[in-house]
Amino acid sequence: RKEVEQDPGPFNVPEGATVAFNCTYSNSASQSFFWYRQDCRKEPKLLMSVYSSGNEDGRFTAQLNRASQYISLLIRDSKLSDSATYLCVVNRRDTGFQKLVFGTGTRLLVSP
Amino acid sequence: NAGVTQTPKFQVLKTGQSMTLQCAQDMNHEYMSWYRQDPGMGLRLIHYSVGAGITDQGEVPNGYNVSRSTTEDFPLRLLSAAPSQTSVYFCASSYDWDSNYNEQFFGPGTRLTVL
Repeated sequence: RKEVEQDPGPFNVPEGATVAFNCTYSNSASQSFFWYRQDCRKEPKLLMSVYSSGNEDGRFTAQLNRASQYISLLIRDSKLSDSATYLCVVNRRDTGFQKLVFGTGTRLLVSP
Repeated sequence: NAGVTQTPKFQVLKTGQSMTLQCAQDMNHEYMSWYRQDPGMGLRLIHYSVGAGITDQGEVPNGYNVSRSTTEDFPLRLLSAAPSQTSVYFCASSYDWDSNYNEQFFGPGTRLTVL
C-alpha cells in the first residue's frame, strides 16, 4: 500500500464546475500537508498548504482530517487553466529531518 | 533570481556510462533534494542535503551519489547507468530543513533515457 494514495483520474469537468479531489495517507506521524500542481512535462509547484482548520485561497479550498488521515481539495468555478495534475504531499520526519512523500497525482481536465 | 536550475534538460546514455546531473539554486536555501518521477510512482526521494557538507539517503539511493560542497550546488552522479534509471529527475530546494511548512522550489527537470 502506498503511503499517500490518490485517485489518478482523469476527472473530466466542464468550465464552471466544482470538483473535489481526495487523498489518504497512512503514516500517522505525518506533520504537514500540501497540494502541488504539475502541468504536463513541467515541474511541480506549490498550490497551497493544508492546515488543520481548513483553508481557502480564492477558488481553492483544502481540508484536513487527521483522525481519518484524509486530505481534500475543492476547486470551484473551474477554469480551462486549472487543467493539470494535482499532487497530494505529506511531510514527515524519520530521523529529525523533514521528508516529503508525494502521491501519484490526480489529473484534471477542464473542457469548454 | 533564476531559482532552481538544472542541466541538461535531456540526456541519452548507454548502459554502463556515468554522468552528472547539475543542480544549482540562487536563493541561499539550506535544504536541497533530488527526486525521480516515474509513471504511476509519484516523485521519489533519491538523496537530500540539509547544508553544505551534509547529505543523506532518501527512498531510492542505489546507483546514485551526491555531494554538497557549496550552498548553491547539489550535483547528482549516476555511477553506471542502467535502463531502470530512465526517468525524469527533479532537483528541489527550500529555505531550511526544520520548518514544517517550507515551500519546495523545483527545477525544470532532466529527462534521462538509458538504452
